[in-house]
Amino acid sequence: DAGVIQSPRHEVTEMGQEVTLRCKPISGHDYLFWYRQTMMRGLELLIYFNNNVPIDDSGMPEDRFSAKMPNASFSTLKIQPSEPRDSAVYFCASSSRTSSSYNEQFFGPGTRLTVL
Amino acid sequence: ELKVEQNPLFLSMQEGKNYTIYCNYSTTSDRLYWYRQDPGKSLESLFVLLSNGAVKQEGRLMASLDTKARLSTLHITAAVHDLSATYFCAVDVVTQGGSEKLVFGKGTKLTVNP
Repeated sequence: DAGVIQSPRHEVTEMGQEVTLRCKPISGHDYLFWYRQTMMRGLELLIYFNNNVPIDDSGMPEDRFSAKMPNASFSTLKIQPSEPRDSAVYFCASSSRTSSSYNEQFFGPGTRLTVL
Repeated sequence: ELKVEQNPLFLSMQEGKNYTIYCNYSTTSDRLYWYRQDPGKSLESLFVLLSNGAVKQEGRLMASLDTKARLSTLHITAAVHDLSATYFCAVDVVTQGGSEKLVFGKGTKLTVNP
């Protein structure tokens, strides 16, 4: 399996622009997670989906952030409009709680976002 | 509010030495995970601990879980340079809203010096 795939790997944009991050989970995994990692705040869960349905979005910072999962193999995280404080590494992860490892999550390579 | 505290946050040690990283958490949970992150890279799953008393070992690393003490340890035996990385523990919790998620510690940055 190719693992979790994220694109783009790096994104540099200007304040006010729309940013869309993409994720393809591991095939067969029914949970998908979006995290944000910064030096100041560490690793934060933004939102997660189960069977394409958002379950917990309490970590989404504000209305500028939105996430969708139109099917089992694709999810997007959108920031509109972007701000410099959104600069971070965004990770997507997936898991299958039917496995013996329960909630073991497998992380993608991340998208490094820089908002100027 | 759930707290997951790792200590130390920074650890510099010599090759060949032993050391332990601690992960304390403030709520009831019997599922804990350890991850490794190399600089500029993603998180890699190391250990899955799913019950009280669970112990897992891989090479020079051994992880254990004491759910009664709400404590997990990651023990490093005879450290080598290749173990230099940041290590995270993550606790599996159920929120008041009924959702289940991992809450990560701040990470322990380990540097192994020759």
